Amino acid sequence: KNEVEQSPQNLTAQEGEFITINCSYSVGISALHWLQQHPGGGIVSLFMLSSGKKKHGRLIATINIQEKHSSLHITASHPRDSAVYICAVRSKMTNFGNEKLTFGTGTRLTIIP
Amino acid sequence: SQTIHQWPATLVQPVGSPLSLECTVEGTSNPNLYWYRQAAGRGLQLLFYSVGIGQISSEVPQNLSASRPQDRQFILSSKKLLLSDSGFYLCAWARVNTEAFFGQGTRLTVV
Repeated sequence: KNEVEQSPQNLTAQEGEFITINCSYSVGISALHWLQQHPGGGIVSLFMLSSGKKKHGRLIATINIQEKHSSLHITASHPRDSAVYICAVRSKMTNFGNEKLTFGTGTRLTIIP
Repeated sequence: SQTIHQWPATLVQPVGSPLSLECTVEGTSNPNLYWYRQAAGRGLQLLFYSVGIGQISSEVPQNLSASRPQDRQFILSSKKLLLSDSGFYLCAWARVNTEAFFGQGTRLTVV
């Protein structure tokens, strides 16, 4: 079982729909990232969360530390939101307390006009 | 501002040829640096991380090596590429309690 699980793997929706992508993890974390990867491959960090909720424009990210679960929501979705959305958690490595990022496999979102 | 540069963006190499991917960081000092690989249909897997010059740790055994000759430079190498080395390679840096930054990635195809 992967340390970070995302659902769904693929999501197709009509423009304007409310989108939810889920992430569950099984390790203790110091923070969780939501990332966006466009077809060219480059990755952009959308949010870094350690508790509660963050909002940026039409994007909202929430995290429940007790339940080890996070969600990414997109309101009023638009075709330009089409991308792969990746959840990544930061956890301590065994030596020196340094952190590593563990990535989920991503959710491919397609918004149809 | 903090930025991270990774090149080349795409690369096609024959089996048995060497590899060198470079990642450089600006706007920070003594970052923790990471190399990840994304094989087709799979998530990003940690290959190497470095906490300082000359300090490299490997997460998984493979046909690759990494080096950190300068504080803000992280290099991924191979002496002889295998077909299974094909994939998307990503450089990243992060510090405790700070944002993480990612390179644009390198799509490597070994033919």
